[in-house]
Amino acid sequence: NAGVMQNPRHLVRRRGQEARLRCSPMKGHSHVYWYRQLPEEGLKFMVYLQKENIIDESGMPKERFSAEFPKEGPSILRIQQVVRGDSAAYFCASSPPLPGGGYEQYFGPGTRLTVT
Amino acid sequence: DQQVKQNSPSLSVQEGRISILNCDYTNSMFDYFLWYKKYPAEGPTFLISISSIKDKNEDGRFTVFLNKSAKHLSLHIVPSQPGDSAVYFCAAPWGNQFYFGTGTSLTVIP
Repeated sequence: NAGVMQNPRHLVRRRGQEARLRCSPMKGHSHVYWYRQLPEEGLKFMVYLQKENIIDESGMPKERFSAEFPKEGPSILRIQQVVRGDSAAYFCASSPPLPGGGYEQYFGPGTRLTVT
Repeated sequence: DQQVKQNSPSLSVQEGRISILNCDYTNSMFDYFLWYKKYPAEGPTFLISISSIKDKNEDGRFTVFLNKSAKHLSLHIVPSQPGDSAVYFCAAPWGNQFYFGTGTSLTVIP
């Protein structure tokens, strides 16, 4: 059973370009979470999605950031017109559809975004 | 708004000794806590958890203690091994997300 997969592992973008980060959850998991880790900080929640639905995007910046989890295919975190402050490690986690939500989150290896 | 805090960014311990990693939280409604371990270039992996109805949970060399009145938890690793060298995060689920501390980098010296 493959774990959570993220690609690319490293992404370099120039200021103003778009960044697309992909996350494939573990088999059987229908819940996906995105976190961002800035240098010297802990992981900060960005968004929680289920298939075709954004459940909670309270941690997402209001502009330039969007996320989706289509019926088929991976979840995508999209950052438009990247700026240097977007440089960070972006982690995806998935969880099974446990009653009451549950507390299991399995993390992918992360995508390190560098904006030059 | 840092609801989960780890005030020690780093810790060095001799192999075989005890490692104690600390975590404080501000939200008294948190009722479950987890510790994650993270190696460089990898995602966090679950290590151990504790429910607020307990004050201690043990799993092999790892024990987590919870002091609800002090809003404090700690992770004890004994005996510490070089392979334990990693960054350790404490986390608390709330609503749809986990709140993570900033992490403590543990180095176990052979």
